[in-house]
Amino acid sequence: DTGVSQDPRHKITKRGQNVTFRCDPISEHNRLYWYRQTLGQGPEFLTYFQNEAQLEKSRLLSDRFSAERPKGSFSTLEIQRTEQGDSAMYLCASLYGELFFGEGSRLTVL
Amino acid sequence: TQLLEQSPQFLSIQEGENLTVYCNSSSVFSSLQWYRQEPGEGPVLLVTVVTGGEVKKLKRLTFQFGDARKDSSLHITAAQPGDTGLYLCAGENTNAGKSTFGDGTTLTVKP
Repeated sequence: DTGVSQDPRHKITKRGQNVTFRCDPISEHNRLYWYRQTLGQGPEFLTYFQNEAQLEKSRLLSDRFSAERPKGSFSTLEIQRTEQGDSAMYLCASLYGELFFGEGSRLTVL
Repeated sequence: TQLLEQSPQFLSIQEGENLTVYCNSSSVFSSLQWYRQEPGEGPVLLVTVVTGGEVKKLKRLTFQFGDARKDSSLHITAAQPGDTGLYLCAGENTNAGKSTFGDGTTLTVKP
Protein backbone atom coordinates (compact mmCIF):
# COMPACT_ATOMS: atom_id res chain seq x y z
CA ASP A 1 0.00 0.00 0.00
CA THR A 2 1.49 3.28 -1.09
CA GLY A 3 -0.45 5.66 1.13
CA VAL A 4 -3.50 7.87 0.85
CA SER A 5 -4.42 8.60 -2.75
CA GLN A 6 -6.68 11.36 -4.02
CA ASP A 7 -8.26 11.89 -7.40
CA PRO A 8 -8.25 14.10 -9.36
CA ARG A 9 -5.14 15.99 -8.37
CA HIS A 10 -6.34 19.10 -10.15
CA LYS A 11 -9.79 20.24 -11.18
CA ILE A 12 -10.74 23.44 -12.97
CA THR A 13 -14.43 24.14 -13.22
CA LYS A 14 -16.82 26.97 -13.93
CA ARG A 15 -18.87 28.57 -11.22
CA GLY A 16 -22.13 26.70 -10.69
CA GLN A 17 -20.85 23.27 -11.74
CA ASN A 18 -20.68 20.27 -9.43
CA VAL A 19 -17.41 18.54 -8.62
CA THR A 20 -16.55 15.31 -6.83
CA PHE A 21 -13.28 14.28 -5.23
CA ARG A 22 -12.32 10.77 -4.26
CA CYS A 23 -10.04 9.62 -1.47
CA ASP A 24 -8.64 6.12 -1.00
CA PRO A 25 -7.19 5.83 2.50
CA ILE A 26 -4.53 3.45 3.67
CA SER A 27 -6.06 -0.01 4.02
CA GLU A 28 -7.50 -0.84 7.43
CA HIS A 29 -7.37 2.77 8.62
CA ASN A 30 -10.79 3.21 10.17
CA ARG A 31 -10.81 6.98 10.47
CA LEU A 32 -10.81 9.25 7.45
CA TYR A 33 -10.64 13.03 7.51
CA TRP A 34 -11.27 15.81 5.00
CA TYR A 35 -9.50 19.14 5.33
CA ARG A 36 -9.50 22.25 3.16
CA GLN A 37 -6.45 24.44 2.68
CA THR A 38 -6.48 27.83 0.97
CA LEU A 39 -3.40 29.66 -0.18
CA GLY A 40 -1.34 31.04 2.68
CA GLN A 41 -3.29 29.21 5.34
CA GLY A 42 -3.08 25.95 7.20
CA PRO A 43 -5.53 23.09 6.65
CA GLU A 44 -8.99 23.47 8.18
CA PHE A 45 -11.00 20.50 9.39
CA LEU A 46 -14.15 19.76 7.38
CA THR A 47 -15.45 16.36 8.45
CA TYR A 48 -14.43 12.87 9.49
CA PHE A 49 -15.63 9.27 9.29
CA GLN A 50 -15.24 6.31 11.57
CA ASN A 51 -15.70 3.45 9.14
CA GLU A 52 -18.82 4.40 7.17
CA ALA A 53 -20.28 6.72 9.81
CA GLN A 54 -19.82 10.46 9.42
CA LEU A 55 -19.30 11.55 13.00
CA GLU A 56 -18.62 15.27 12.80
CA LYS A 57 -19.00 18.11 10.34
CA SER A 58 -17.45 21.54 10.61
CA ARG A 59 -19.52 24.68 10.22
CA LEU A 60 -17.33 25.30 7.16
CA LEU A 61 -19.19 22.47 5.44
CA SER A 62 -22.15 24.29 3.95
CA ASP A 63 -25.18 22.45 2.59
CA ARG A 64 -23.56 22.50 -0.87
CA PHE A 65 -20.95 20.07 0.44
CA SER A 66 -21.60 16.39 1.02
CA ALA A 67 -19.21 13.64 1.97
CA GLU A 68 -19.75 9.90 1.96
CA ARG A 69 -17.87 6.77 2.81
CA PRO A 70 -20.38 4.12 1.80
CA LYS A 71 -18.46 0.93 2.53
CA GLY A 72 -16.01 2.27 5.06
CA SER A 73 -13.21 2.28 2.54
CA PHE A 74 -12.92 5.08 -0.04
CA SER A 75 -14.65 8.42 0.49
CA THR A 76 -16.07 11.07 -1.81
CA LEU A 77 -16.50 14.79 -1.27
CA GLU A 78 -18.98 16.49 -3.56
CA ILE A 79 -19.42 20.22 -3.95
CA GLN A 80 -22.59 21.35 -5.66
CA ARG A 81 -23.05 24.71 -7.41
CA THR A 82 -19.42 25.64 -6.92
CA GLU A 83 -18.48 29.20 -6.03
CA GLN A 84 -15.18 30.99 -6.52
CA GLY A 85 -14.66 30.87 -2.75
CA ASP A 86 -14.54 27.09 -2.95
CA SER A 87 -11.19 27.29 -4.72
CA ALA A 88 -8.75 25.50 -2.44
CA MET A 89 -6.75 22.33 -1.90
CA TYR A 90 -8.94 19.56 -0.51
CA LEU A 91 -6.89 17.19 1.60
CA CYS A 92 -7.84 13.72 2.76
CA ALA A 93 -6.09 11.95 5.59
CA SER A 94 -6.43 8.61 7.34
CA LEU A 95 -5.52 8.01 10.94
CA TYR A 96 -3.46 5.24 12.47
CA GLY A 97 -1.74 6.77 15.44
CA GLU A 98 -0.98 9.77 13.28
CA LEU A 99 -2.56 11.50 10.32
CA PHE A 100 -1.38 10.36 6.91
CA PHE A 101 -2.31 12.95 4.31
CA GLY A 102 -2.86 12.43 0.64
CA GLU A 103 -1.39 14.76 -1.94
CA GLY A 104 -4.62 16.72 -2.17
CA SER A 105 -7.05 17.72 -4.88
CA ARG A 106 -6.65 21.30 -6.01
CA LEU A 107 -9.89 22.95 -7.10
CA THR A 108 -10.00 26.13 -9.14
CA VAL A 109 -13.42 27.67 -9.72
CA LEU A 110 -13.48 30.20 -12.55
CA THR B 1 -12.22 28.68 19.11
CA GLN B 2 -8.68 27.45 19.55
CA LEU B 3 -6.13 29.27 17.43
CA LEU B 4 -2.49 28.62 16.74
CA GLU B 5 -0.30 31.50 15.65
CA GLN B 6 2.95 30.79 13.89
CA SER B 7 5.85 33.16 13.48
CA PRO B 8 7.53 34.28 11.44
CA GLN B 9 5.23 33.85 8.47
CA PHE B 10 8.17 33.85 6.04
CA LEU B 11 11.84 33.16 6.64
CA SER B 12 14.64 33.23 4.07
CA ILE B 13 18.14 32.26 5.17
CA GLN B 14 21.44 31.06 3.77
CA GLU B 15 22.55 27.45 3.90
CA GLY B 16 24.35 26.69 7.15
CA GLU B 17 22.45 29.20 9.31
CA ASN B 18 20.38 28.26 12.34
CA LEU B 19 16.76 29.23 12.77
CA THR B 20 13.84 28.96 15.17
CA VAL B 21 10.14 29.15 14.34
CA TYR B 22 7.38 29.48 16.87
CA CYS B 23 3.86 28.23 17.44
CA ASN B 24 1.77 29.96 20.10
CA SER B 25 -1.72 29.59 21.44
CA SER B 26 -3.82 30.85 24.31
CA SER B 27 -5.31 27.36 24.60
CA VAL B 28 -3.93 24.16 26.06
CA PHE B 29 -3.58 21.17 23.75
CA SER B 30 -3.18 17.55 24.76
CA SER B 31 -0.64 17.10 21.99
CA LEU B 32 0.98 19.18 19.32
CA GLN B 33 2.33 18.12 15.95
CA TRP B 34 4.79 19.66 13.54
CA TYR B 35 4.38 18.96 9.83
CA ARG B 36 6.37 19.88 6.74
CA GLN B 37 4.53 20.52 3.51
CA GLU B 38 6.01 20.96 0.05
CA PRO B 39 4.17 22.74 -2.78
CA GLY B 40 1.44 20.60 -4.31
CA GLU B 41 1.75 17.93 -1.63
CA GLY B 42 0.00 17.07 1.61
CA PRO B 43 1.58 17.74 5.01
CA VAL B 44 3.97 15.10 6.34
CA LEU B 45 4.27 14.58 10.08
CA LEU B 46 7.66 15.36 11.60
CA VAL B 47 7.00 14.93 15.30
CA THR B 48 4.35 14.78 18.02
CA VAL B 49 4.97 16.29 21.46
CA VAL B 50 2.72 15.41 24.36
CA THR B 51 4.32 16.30 27.68
CA GLY B 52 4.81 19.88 28.86
CA GLY B 53 8.50 20.79 28.63
CA GLU B 54 9.21 17.90 26.30
CA VAL B 55 12.13 18.20 23.88
CA LYS B 56 12.48 15.94 20.87
CA LYS B 57 15.30 15.83 18.38
CA LEU B 58 15.14 14.62 14.81
CA LYS B 59 18.62 14.91 13.31
CA ARG B 60 19.17 18.68 12.91
CA LEU B 61 15.65 19.55 14.08
CA THR B 62 14.83 20.18 17.75
CA PHE B 63 11.23 20.48 18.89
CA GLN B 64 10.13 21.82 22.25
CA PHE B 65 6.70 21.83 23.86
CA GLY B 66 6.06 24.60 26.37
CA ASP B 67 5.60 23.75 30.03
CA ALA B 68 1.96 24.85 29.88
CA ARG B 69 1.34 22.93 26.62
CA LYS B 70 0.25 26.10 24.85
CA ASP B 71 3.27 26.80 22.70
CA SER B 72 6.06 25.09 20.84
CA SER B 73 9.19 25.86 18.91
CA LEU B 74 11.15 24.23 16.12
CA HIS B 75 14.87 24.88 15.88
CA ILE B 76 16.87 23.86 12.83
CA THR B 77 20.64 23.73 13.03
CA ALA B 78 22.79 24.26 9.95
CA ALA B 79 19.86 24.59 7.57
CA GLN B 80 20.13 22.98 4.14
CA PRO B 81 18.25 23.76 0.90
CA GLY B 82 16.36 20.49 1.38
CA ASP B 83 14.79 21.99 4.51
CA THR B 84 12.88 24.44 2.32
CA GLY B 85 9.14 24.10 2.79
CA LEU B 86 6.08 25.12 4.78
CA TYR B 87 6.29 24.18 8.45
CA LEU B 88 2.92 23.75 10.10
CA CYS B 89 2.08 23.20 13.73
CA ALA B 90 -1.18 21.57 14.74
CA GLY B 91 -2.84 20.97 18.07
CA GLU B 92 -5.13 18.13 19.11
CA ASN B 93 -7.35 17.57 22.09
CA THR B 94 -9.90 14.83 22.56
CA ASN B 95 -10.41 13.88 18.93
CA ALA B 96 -7.19 12.47 17.53
CA GLY B 97 -7.02 13.46 13.89
CA LYS B 98 -9.20 16.54 14.26
CA SER B 99 -6.41 19.05 14.39
CA THR B 100 -6.28 22.82 14.60
CA PHE B 101 -3.52 24.02 12.30
CA GLY B 102 -1.55 27.22 12.32
CA ASP B 103 -1.01 29.08 9.06
CA GLY B 104 2.60 27.93 8.86
CA THR B 105 6.06 29.35 8.39
CA THR B 106 7.39 29.30 4.84
CA LEU B 107 11.12 28.59 5.02
CA THR B 108 13.49 29.15 2.12
CA VAL B 109 17.09 28.03 2.49
CA LYS B 110 19.34 29.44 -0.20
CA PRO B 111 22.43 27.50 -1.29
